[in-house]
Amino acid sequence: GQQLNQSPQSMFIQEGEDVSMNCTSSSIFNTWLWYKQDPGEGPVLLIALYKAGELTSNGRLTAQFGITRKDSFLNISASIPSDVGIYFCAGQTGTASKLTFGTGTRLQVTL
Amino acid sequence: SAVISQKPSRDICQRGTSLTIQCQVDSQVTMMFWYRQQPGQSLTLIATANQGSEATYESGFVIDKFPISRPNLTFSTLTVSNMSPEDSSIYLCSSTALGTDTQYFGPGTRLTVL
Repeated sequence: GQQLNQSPQSMFIQEGEDVSMNCTSSSIFNTWLWYKQDPGEGPVLLIALYKAGELTSNGRLTAQFGITRKDSFLNISASIPSDVGIYFCAGQTGTASKLTFGTGTRLQVTL
Repeated sequence: SAVISQKPSRDICQRGTSLTIQCQVDSQVTMMFWYRQQPGQSLTLIATANQGSEATYESGFVIDKFPISRPNLTFSTLTVSNMSPEDSSIYLCSSTALGTDTQYFGPGTRLTVL
């Protein structure tokens, strides 16, 4: 089946630093989504991308839909302690179709 | 986005028993899904809950083990049957609101099987 690989698997960064993580796939997706999951909670949608090459921002977060439709990246600028959590990418092939999730990137911020 | 609630939020169950998890959405939605998240892992789709008909299961998941109901547009249940410790996971439902394709998630049900 389809697999989405995220890197890095985990990272420790200092408060105020910028963060970059990416997601690659062996097959094409028509929609890319980025979610954040806090402990004991369900994933919360951060950014949705619908077009190849699209660059979208949400506050300190910026994500891009790769031109090949097989990858996406997420950047977080000026990280703060509440950015701690697990970030998942997810790909969708058609309208209202199932999501394939990435392996996750665990972000930990040190003061 | 729709607000999704799940009950129970967590449970500890004995081997061989069954647990039914409820998912309620505060507005009419088109699609509802059930996912499993094993400890320290990503989310895996179990099935799509279809209103008024049998759920559509993903490879590796079967109706006898994970029966699903969706009697109306805002409610679904997932039953984990004849549980074993390997079923210990977080079970999450998600939905897409009318007119959108974006999935939003409930808070999850944390299940521990002893």
